[in-house]
Amino acid sequence: SAVISQKPSRDICQRGTSLTIQCQVDSQVTMMFWYRQQPGQSLTLIATANQGSEATYESGFVIDKFPISRPNLTFSTLTVSNMSPEDSSIYLCSVGRDRALGTQYFGPGTRLTVL
Amino acid sequence: GQQVMQIPQYQHVQEGEDFTTYCNSSTTLSNIQWYKQRPGGHPVFLIQLVKSGEVKKQKRLTFQFGEAKKNSSLHITATQTTDVGTYFCAGPNFGNEKLTFGTGTRLTIIP
Repeated sequence: SAVISQKPSRDICQRGTSLTIQCQVDSQVTMMFWYRQQPGQSLTLIATANQGSEATYESGFVIDKFPISRPNLTFSTLTVSNMSPEDSSIYLCSVGRDRALGTQYFGPGTRLTVL
Repeated sequence: GQQVMQIPQYQHVQEGEDFTTYCNSSTTLSNIQWYKQRPGGHPVFLIQLVKSGEVKKQKRLTFQFGEAKKNSSLHITATQTTDVGTYFCAGPNFGNEKLTFGTGTRLTIIP
């Protein structure tokens, strides 16, 4: 497994502003992902964070709204841009060490409320 | 695209009763994974099943992978209050690099 931290743990933001969420891992990992989990719902993959290149976004998510950086193998950021109340959700980063196994380990999450 | 459904969506049981959640994928899976998310917490990896018909046990939890590798189940014997949470199955997409999570089953325990 891996020790994963996220900052901030929660935030309340105003409509139209942006928030950057950080994900830090205690060791180098091959894969990093960002998910969104709306209240009472399952997890929806936003994008795969690629080290040194542009993230790979899932259908329905775009770079302008959710820019992602991954400067090295232990750190990534997700920005939620021009927020609206519909962006209120929990944002989770996860990491995977083994492409063949595909198991993932999750950070504690960032609970975002947009007013 | 791949869809992974779970039933039931919610389950309330008396402490000590058994609990089962079922997971069904629209496509054949190379493996199935199970995660548990406590209220207010984040998903935690429980187990992975790879072989057709595989059965694995973790104390009171029994996991099965179907023969066709399209369905799975999690059975908890004699539930305890510590079992409260939402249980998700997840199946890998192309290349095993991405997971599609099931809809989840939320378990509550009546003491």
